[in-house]
Amino acid sequence: DGGITQSPKYLFRKEGQNVTLSCEQNLNHDAMYWYRQDPGQGLRLIYYSQIVNDFQKGDIAEGYSVSREKKESFPLTVTSAQKNPTAFYLCASSPGTGWSYNEQFFGPGTRLTVL
Amino acid sequence: ILNVEQSPQSLHVQEGDSTNFTCSFPSSNFYALHWYRWETAKSPEALFVMTLNGDEKKKGRISATLNTKEGYSYLYIKGSQPEDSATYLCAFLSDSWGKLQFGAGTQVVVTP
Repeated sequence: DGGITQSPKYLFRKEGQNVTLSCEQNLNHDAMYWYRQDPGQGLRLIYYSQIVNDFQKGDIAEGYSVSREKKESFPLTVTSAQKNPTAFYLCASSPGTGWSYNEQFFGPGTRLTVL
Repeated sequence: ILNVEQSPQSLHVQEGDSTNFTCSFPSSNFYALHWYRWETAKSPEALFVMTLNGDEKKKGRISATLNTKEGYSYLYIKGSQPEDSATYLCAFLSDSWGKLQFGAGTQVVVTP
């Protein structure tokens, strides 16, 4: 089955620790995205990548880092510089940003709680 | 950051009733308007991608209209069923790079 997987589903970390969230897709999509959801707010874009070895900051990139070494993988690191990291994180992919009308396909999400 | 507003925030519908709700977005720099359905404990799934003023899309009992000149889209559910219970997200695309701006969603609860 083609799709997007995120792991783990729930993650607990102590304040001050970096943590990496996994996102893998086997849809052969060029573009991948990371979003954050907070209660009462829309999904906010953290980082996106249009192609391997390239990525751009979204609207709320401070305190986060990403890499895109492989087409199928786009891990997100939440660093200790992120002031309010507790949130629900969604990864998505789409065939390509050049096809700007294409829908995005989402993973199941990771709920991060920083204690 | 562009402002995408959805209203109402939530609504309760009796099974069999029809309902509709709104997504408002900036009327300039329009590329596309996406609708997603997000059921509890599942991933958001695309319903429609709308690109042209006056577009009307339909999938089963769910349909959507688009007015890019005034900056709004309506989503309609005809004869609501309990399986329609979900949060419906709209997202506005204002550039060619695929950066979507999401609204906060309308939560629909259909009661038998």
